[in-house]
Amino acid sequence: AQRVTQPEKLLSVFKGAPVELKCNYSYSGSPELFWYVQYSRQRLQLLLRHISRESIKGFTADLNKGETSFHLKKPFAQEEDSAMYYCALSGTSGSRLTFGEGTQLTVNP
Amino acid sequence: EAQVTQNPRYLITVTGKKLTVTCSQNMNHEYMSWYRQDPGLGLRQIYYSMNVEVTDKGDVPEGYKVSRKEKRNFPLILESPSPNQTSLYFCASRTVRTTGQHPYEQYFGPGTRLTVT
Repeated sequence: AQRVTQPEKLLSVFKGAPVELKCNYSYSGSPELFWYVQYSRQRLQLLLRHISRESIKGFTADLNKGETSFHLKKPFAQEEDSAMYYCALSGTSGSRLTFGEGTQLTVNP
Repeated sequence: EAQVTQNPRYLITVTGKKLTVTCSQNMNHEYMSWYRQDPGLGLRQIYYSMNVEVTDKGDVPEGYKVSRKEKRNFPLILESPSPNQTSLYFCASRTVRTTGQHPYEQYFGPGTRLTVT
């Protein structure tokens, strides 16, 4: 079974502060991990995926297989980063995409 | 423009009245899926389809039906809606995995907000 846990439902930081959104997963094989973002009243969109090892909008995420984590980080938060963030896992077969509960990030001025 | 479309975007209905939410994609994707989004629960998969005429249950299939007669369309059917199906529904699509690639990025529709009274 595959499972994704985002322990923080709400996260509030001030503009310019570092931000870290936590994601832990459970999967017996080699997972593919993603972060999706949903801005207010918009559709979900892919933010980044671990396989690409990329930085999007200043966000990065490193897959830590030892700790089964895929935390999302940004060194200096901006107000436009305020959104709902979902961590997601796809297993080997690719048939299912399991989402975490989501973390609502608010960046205050 | 490559996109996933859903109709209707908003729907208020009464218990027991059959309804269909349509989903269409123009990216020639084999895989399509339906999710429901509820506060505190994130997105949960209802059904998915790996290709035409191939559908399978996700995590919360009870009370829903789907069909995949054409590659581009994947309608979600509620035969007898109940208030606990009040939710925000998302359709998504992607290409299927091929050797050496990781095309697991799903493209989401805009969502359909359903209220069942």
